[in-house]
Amino acid sequence: EDQVTQSPEALRLQEGESSSLNCSYTVSGLRGLFWYRQDPGKGPEFLFTLYSAGEEKEKERLKATLTKKESFLHITAPKPEDSATYLCAVQARNTDKLIFGTGTRLQVFP
Amino acid sequence: EPEVTQTPSHQVTQMGQEVILRCVPISNHLYFYWYRQILGQKVEFLVSFYNNEISEKSEIFDDQFSVERPDGSNFTLKIRSTKLEDSAMYFCASHQEQGGEKLFFGSGTQLSVL
Repeated sequence: EDQVTQSPEALRLQEGESSSLNCSYTVSGLRGLFWYRQDPGKGPEFLFTLYSAGEEKEKERLKATLTKKESFLHITAPKPEDSATYLCAVQARNTDKLIFGTGTRLQVFP
Repeated sequence: EPEVTQTPSHQVTQMGQEVILRCVPISNHLYFYWYRQILGQKVEFLVSFYNNEISEKSEIFDDQFSVERPDGSNFTLKIRSTKLEDSAMYFCASHQEQGGEKLFFGSGTQLSVL
C-alpha cells in the first residue's frame, strides 16, 4: 500500500535556526513527490515536485531533496513567516491522486 | 496568480440533508479534483474529473457523492444525504494537464454536519 510518513509532527525553531523535515514514503512506482505549505484555514500551496532520486530543488530558504525512500525539506535561517504546516505527498504512476502525509507543523519564533 | 475559488467558505447542515459545494477552477485548466481533510487528519483524495467524466475515485466516494461540471466554469461536489462523519474541510483543486506538476488548491469549504 502506498504510504507517506512525516516527522516530526511539530517543530519549534528560533528565527535563524536551520533544520530539516523528513518525509518517508513507499509507493508502487513513483511518478512524483510533492511538497506543499498549508496555512491555517487555507488550502495547500504548491512548493516543489521531485521526480527521481538525487534531485534537488530550492526556493528562497527552502530546499527539497529526494532519495529512493525519503525526502527532506531543509529550511535555512527560517523566519516567523515560514511558520506553517508542511505537507508531503506522493503520486504513483497510472494514477491522478496524491497521497498525503499528516504534515509537520512548523513554528518559528523571533 | 490565478486562483481556484470555492463557495461557501463554511456550510452547516443537518444530518440527512443534501449539500452542494461549489468550485470555480482556473479557467484554462482541464483536470479537476476534490480532496477532503477531517480535522487533525491527512488530506484525502476523493475524486478526479476530466472531459466531463470521473477518471478516478477513492473508496470514500460512494453513491452518496457525485460531481458535476454544469457549465464551462463551475465544478460541484454533491453529498446527497450527509452523515456526521462527512464533517471536514473540502478542497477543490485543478491543473492544466494530467500529471501536471503544479496542482492548485482552493481555500476550502468547511462542512459541519449536525
